[in-house]
Formats: sequence, C-alpha cells, structure tokens
Amino acid sequence: QKEVEQNSGPLSVPEGAIASLNCTYSDRGSQSFFWYRQYSGKSPELIMFIYSNGDKEDGRFTAQLNKASQYVSLLIRDSQPSDSATYLCAVNILTGGGNKLTFGTGTQLKVEL
Amino acid sequence: DTEVTQTPKHLVMGMTNKKSLKCEQHMGHRAMYWYKQKAKKPPELMFVYSYEKLSINESVPSRFSPECPNSSLLNLHLHALQPEDSALYLCASSQVKQANTEAFFGQGTRLTVV
Repeated sequence: QKEVEQNSGPLSVPEGAIASLNCTYSDRGSQSFFWYRQYSGKSPELIMFIYSNGDKEDGRFTAQLNKASQYVSLLIRDSQPSDSATYLCAVNILTGGGNKLTFGTGTQLKVEL
Repeated sequence: DTEVTQTPKHLVMGMTNKKSLKCEQHMGHRAMYWYKQKAKKPPELMFVYSYEKLSINESVPSRFSPECPNSSLLNLHLHALQPEDSALYLCASSQVKQANTEAFFGQGTRLTVV
C-alpha cells in the first residue's frame, strides 16, 4: 500500500464548477497535511495546509481532514482555467531526524472553458 | 518573504563532470531539504538538514553529496552521475522539527546528464 494515494486523473471540470480532489494516507502518525499545486515544468507551490480535523477555508480553496478515515481533500470553488495543474497531496511525519514530507502521485486537474 | 532561491535553473553535465547545485533561503528556517522529481512523478526526498547537520539520508547514492555551510545555504555536489539521474532537483526549507510547519520549495534545477 502506498503511503499517500491520489487518483491520477485527469479530472475535468467546467469553468465555474467545484473541483474535488481526494487523498488517503496510510500512516496514522501523520501530523500535518498539505496541498501543493504544480504547473508543468515548474516547482510545487503550497496552496493549503491543514493540521486539525474539519474544514479550513482560504479564498476559493477548502481543505478537509478526517484523521479517523485517514482522508484529506481539497475543494476548489469557481474553478478557473488557470487552476489547471497537477495537485499534489503531501503528508508530514515528524521523525527523530526531522520532518519527512511524503507526496502522493498527484491529480491532474483540467478546467475546461 | 517565502522565497527559496535555487541556482542554476538549468544544468547539462557529462557523466565525468563535477558540478554543484545551490539553494538559499532567508526565512530563518533551520531545516532544509533536497528532493528529486522525475517527469510525471511526485518529488522524492533525498536529504534533510536540521540545524546545519545531516539528519536524514534516504539511501541516496554517494555520487550525490549534500553540504550545508550555514543556516541559509544548502548545496548538492554532483559527481559521476548517470543519465538516469536527469531530473528536476528541488530544494525546500521549513521550521525544524515542528510537525505543523509548511515547507516552501525553490524553483528547482532542471538537470540533464549526457
């Protein structure tokens, strides 16, 4: 079982719709959770992070965390063509050596006009 | 300022060359990371430095040699690389040993080994 799992997509949504991206993780010791956006050929850009169960909203983005189900999601409201990118879910575990951030394989999102 | 600066942006090197990748941050972060990302794959952790000391080495071949000369700088020395080492090399930084801390990435160095 992979440590962090995402559906690779592509996930296609029309402009203005809500895009829902999902991620599951295997290690119950995971402590913090991140969503990065990555455009082709570019580096990952942090867009949301969440540490506690429940929802966290920032503009058009909402992250949701359910530690009991080991599930984290990202909702993008009013999707725009500029949101088309790969979204990487990352899970952080604090070890004796420091933070280990493990990424899922990413979900490719396409927002269509 | 949440900027992590990496140089060079692109690097082409032969298998017998020695080169170095550089990373700099001025956010006061005392944890710095090297990741490797192949095309259409997620970033994979290579090394973690905490307080300028190597704290995690994810069984990376010795042809990759990291160095952290001070709290703002991180280098990755490359020697005798193979074509399969061609990838995007990403540097990141964060607060050290805090679970709830964001990691910020630099723009990466696109490495091609010929």
